[in-house]
Amino acid sequence: EVQLLESGGDLVQPGGSLRLSCAASGFTFSNYAMSWVRQAPGKGLEWVSLITGSGASTYYAASVKDRFTISRDNSKNTLYLQMNSLRAEDTALYYCTKRSAGHFDFWGQGNLVTVSS
Amino acid sequence: QSVLTQPPSVSGAPGQRVTISCTGSSSNIGAGYDVHWYQHLPGTAPKLLIYENRNRPSGVPDRFSGSKSGTSASLAITGLQPEDEADYYCQSYDSSLSGSWVFGGGTQLTVL
Repeated sequence: EVQLLESGGDLVQPGGSLRLSCAASGFTFSNYAMSWVRQAPGKGLEWVSLITGSGASTYYAASVKDRFTISRDNSKNTLYLQMNSLRAEDTALYYCTKRSAGHFDFWGQGNLVTVSS
Repeated sequence: QSVLTQPPSVSGAPGQRVTISCTGSSSNIGAGYDVHWYQHLPGTAPKLLIYENRNRPSGVPDRFSGSKSGTSASLAITGLQPEDEADYYCQSYDSSLSGSWVFGGGTQLTVL
């Protein structure tokens, strides 16, 4: 059974940093690209970032480019999202997702990041 | 403003059929990229409902079906049930700028 468990969400001040983690199990982690998708309060889903299975290639939404860094440790079956220069508009529930072809076939329960002074 | 446009809300009575549209452009759906659909109940993980335009993952009832034509796609739900009340999102890939995965704004389905 595929399981994705996010952690690391917290309340942080504007301009601050935070690192999210996603522990994966139930599949061969290194064989799949992984992604982060977020949902701001009262808003829809927004794709944030994606990393290929080997970690060689990364992709970012324009709204987070140059502030967020996605990475993975295939020896630990763990996905990360380093978030710097956080803004109020980054407040959201962040979901870890497994990519299969062009879609996201499994999602975690989400982890809340709140950016506020 | 989402790249893919969905109606904010739809509704139907139990047993009825409803459809949710997803309108894109020549850089995403119209460019031939597949459309996928997700069901999201607040407080839970989004669930893949339809992938690659019309395919259902194991366990998804055949009451749910998807189609795609030109720059648009649709999700149809027949035999509406109370447990279908949720938010539904379409998703595709957009090749404009540096390229990215894109979602529709979401449609809230109310079962009357």
